[in-house]
Amino acid sequence: NAGVMQNPRHLVRRRGQEARLRCSPMKGHSHVYWYRQLPEEGLKFMVYLQKENIIDESGMPKERFSAEFPKEGPSILRIQQVVRGDSAAYFCASSLTATNTGELFFGEGSRLTVL
Amino acid sequence: DAKTTQPPSMDCAEGRAANLPCNHSTISGNEYVYWYRQIHSQGPQYIIHGLKNNETNEMASLIITEDRKSSTLILPHATLRDTAVYYCIVRVKEDTGRRALTFGSGTRLQVQP
Repeated sequence: NAGVMQNPRHLVRRRGQEARLRCSPMKGHSHVYWYRQLPEEGLKFMVYLQKENIIDESGMPKERFSAEFPKEGPSILRIQQVVRGDSAAYFCASSLTATNTGELFFGEGSRLTVL
Repeated sequence: DAKTTQPPSMDCAEGRAANLPCNHSTISGNEYVYWYRQIHSQGPQYIIHGLKNNETNEMASLIITEDRKSSTLILPHATLRDTAVYYCIVRVKEDTGRRALTFGSGTRLQVQP
């Protein structure tokens, strides 16, 4: 049973370009969460999605960031017009149900470097 | 979710038990204690959770005091690979508010050879 799969594992972008990070949850999981971890800092919640719906985006920056989790396919975190401050590790997690959201399964992360 | 307090760092000798404390004095009756860890550069890993009874799995044991105001995560025979940041999180299990898990600063455990 494959775990949470994230790709790419490493992504380099120049300022102003777009970054797309993908997350395939564990089989059977329909709840996806995105977290960001800046260098030497803690994990910060960004957005919580359930198939085709955004449940909580309170941690998402208002500009340039968007997330989706379509009916078919992986969840996508999209960062437009990247800046150096977007350089971070982005972790995706999934859970089986909405009633056990304390037990999350995380991917290995996507590391974005903005030059 | 109830606030938790953890020491910022701890050391442990390899092969010895690592006992990681967590205070959660404002915990509510329906809130569980969850533990995660994050090994350097990896994704966080769920370890264990409990409500009021002590719990044990293949990774660790969780001891919750009778008044539930504090708990201890025990790694019975720490190895170098257990060096990580350990997070104690308190929250309801069935979150009808549908809020995501939030991580604090955790305890940085360094297992020494």
